[in-house]
Amino acid sequence: EVQLVQSGAEVKKPGESLKISCKGSGYSFTSYWIGWVRQMPGKGLEWMGIIYPGDSDTRYSPSFQGQVTISADKSISTAYLQWSSLKASDTAMYYCAGQGIRDLRFVGAFDIWGQGTMVTVSS
Amino acid sequence: SYELTQPPSVSVSPGQTARITCSADALPKQYAYWYQQKPGQAPVLVIYKDSERPSGIPERFSGSSSGTTVTLTISGVQAEDEADYYCQSADSSGTSWVFGGGTKLTVL
Repeated sequence: EVQLVQSGAEVKKPGESLKISCKGSGYSFTSYWIGWVRQMPGKGLEWMGIIYPGDSDTRYSPSFQGQVTISADKSISTAYLQWSSLKASDTAMYYCAGQGIRDLRFVGAFDIWGQGTMVTVSS
Repeated sequence: SYELTQPPSVSVSPGQTARITCSADALPKQYAYWYQQKPGQAPVLVIYKDSERPSGIPERFSGSSSGTTVTLTISGVQAEDEADYYCQSADSSGTSWVFGGGTKLTVL
């Protein structure tokens, strides 16, 4: 079964660092882009950035450039999203999503989604 | 920054047709994709490349494109279609993705 499984919920304090993960299985992890999407409580989806695990080519939304770091370890089929210093405004659900994994015709579409990781930042 | 514009809400009665629009300058040059998100769940792809429907998505879901606007149409709306719907596309360079603000579909 093709799936993306994310790490569990996190509760952190402002200023702390955090790295959440997204593990792919059931497909060739290095051959498809993996994106990260933020959803703040009660709000819409926001595209944060994307990585191609095969060569670690990474692109960021201008809104998130410099605020987070996206990386991948292809040896363990896992993508990461990390913060060096969290803020209360980082409180949100974070989804990873793969592009065109189920069908090559879906290229550009996020067709496989992780279950989401809830990050709560509070003092 | 590049933006996709959707109406915040659309309301229809069961059996009627719902149309949700998404507008942006680059849409004539870039494909659009549509997602359905129900409370507490991850989004699900319902339309890709403007008008194609993935297997497993009911035939009542369709997509179309005209100029700078793409439209998601749900024919014969059912109560289970009540959800938030998001369009997604790329900017004119094709290197940056963006989601629309989302449309809450209410089935009266």
